[in-house]
Amino acid sequence: QQQVKQSPQSLIVQKGGISIINCAYENTAFDYFPWYQQFPGKGPALLIAIRPDVSEKKEGRFTISFNKSAKQFSLHIMDSQPGDSATYFCATRMRGNEKLTFGTGTRLTIIP
Amino acid sequence: EPEVTQTPSHQVTQMGQEVILRCVPISNHLYFYWYRQILGQKVEFLVSFYNNEISEKSEIFDDQFSVERPDGSNFTLKIRSTKLEDSAMYFCASSLDRINQPQHFGDGTRLSIL
Repeated sequence: QQQVKQSPQSLIVQKGGISIINCAYENTAFDYFPWYQQFPGKGPALLIAIRPDVSEKKEGRFTISFNKSAKQFSLHIMDSQPGDSATYFCATRMRGNEKLTFGTGTRLTIIP
Repeated sequence: EPEVTQTPSHQVTQMGQEVILRCVPISNHLYFYWYRQILGQKVEFLVSFYNNEISEKSEIFDDQFSVERPDGSNFTLKIRSTKLEDSAMYFCASSLDRINQPQHFGDGTRLSIL
């Protein structure tokens, strides 16, 4: 029940295209859903996060879509750029808790 | 922008030896965390620390592990007797509060056990 399932494992998108990464969870006690971006040799950096009281959050080219009934959330990267090439992790956190539970990661490659 | 600093960037240790990984969290943050990432796998929570006490720990964080805030700026993770399976990237993180503010991660220490 603590697991977060992330897909796909890897993704190749053309420059200018839309990158979509999906995560699914089981535990309805999760109340915080962040996405982290990780470049090689670096730590995870928070990209965008959402709470379950909204269905969508947009920050620049990055959008989280949240489907509470399906227990799924996804990251959309619009107008994908080569600089977006990185590993992306979804994560969840249980209500009242500090621990982040991470997905397995998606290696995104943006090709010219 | 303030950042979490970790040293060393790479630590090589013989199996059975003790190792201490060091972190300097962001200066006004109050909550501190250690996570680890085995090569090619997901990031896993180890422990959280607040007000000089462990607030939560995972099943990975057994008696071989300990954490300490020895002074006002450093936060350390000690592994008492390292095993081969402790080889991983260890990330320190800090946050301003427990719930409403994000956790900021350092760039990690790669621990290699020989």
